[in-house]
Amino acid sequence: DGGITQSPKYLFRKEGQNVTLSCEQNLNHDAMYWYRQDPGQGLRLIYYSQIVNDFQKGDIAEGYSVSREKKESFPLTVTSAQKNPTAFYLCASSSQRTYATEAFFGQGTRLTVV
Amino acid sequence: AQTVTQSQPEMSVQEAETVTLSCTYDTSESDYYLFWYKQPPSRQMILVIRQEAYKQQNATENRFSVNFQKAAKSFSLKISDSQLGDAAMYFCAWNYGGSQGNLIFGKGTKLSVKP
Repeated sequence: DGGITQSPKYLFRKEGQNVTLSCEQNLNHDAMYWYRQDPGQGLRLIYYSQIVNDFQKGDIAEGYSVSREKKESFPLTVTSAQKNPTAFYLCASSSQRTYATEAFFGQGTRLTVV
Repeated sequence: AQTVTQSQPEMSVQEAETVTLSCTYDTSESDYYLFWYKQPPSRQMILVIRQEAYKQQNATENRFSVNFQKAAKSFSLKISDSQLGDAAMYFCAWNYGGSQGNLIFGKGTKLSVKP
């Protein structure tokens, strides 16, 4: 079945550590996105990529990094520079052939700093 | 800047009744798409309905329909015959497919359904 897979579902980070969230899609979508969700904040865009080996910062990119070496994969690294990383992270993908196509979302990763 | 505003943080509806969730947006673009997404307690985002700005006819999907007022930049979601399974966060989103090609989301409305 086609879809987006995020892993892990739950992740715990110690202070000063970098952690990487995985996002894989088999929908043959060109565009992929990372959103952060906090209570009462809706979804805020961290990074997006419209093509392999290219990505752009979103509204809250500080403290995060991404790579897009393969069309299917768009991992997000939460670095130690991100001072408040506890949140729910959603990965999404969409076809760029038309913006009428909705974004498909993964099931999310809950990151907690311990 | 493009913005999407959902002015109702929480709403409640009686089972089998009708409820309307509000959404307004701000843009200078003329062609774009609007979406309503549902996020149940599982947190999986699910597309409920979409509307193209050039279409005057309001979109409908079974019990879900929209009231799209382009001049007023308003895009409300009406849920008829509400069911317990409709309880969720609902997000309004906007996409114009420009160079950013990303969805801009509102902050969401939490809908409770009372039996």
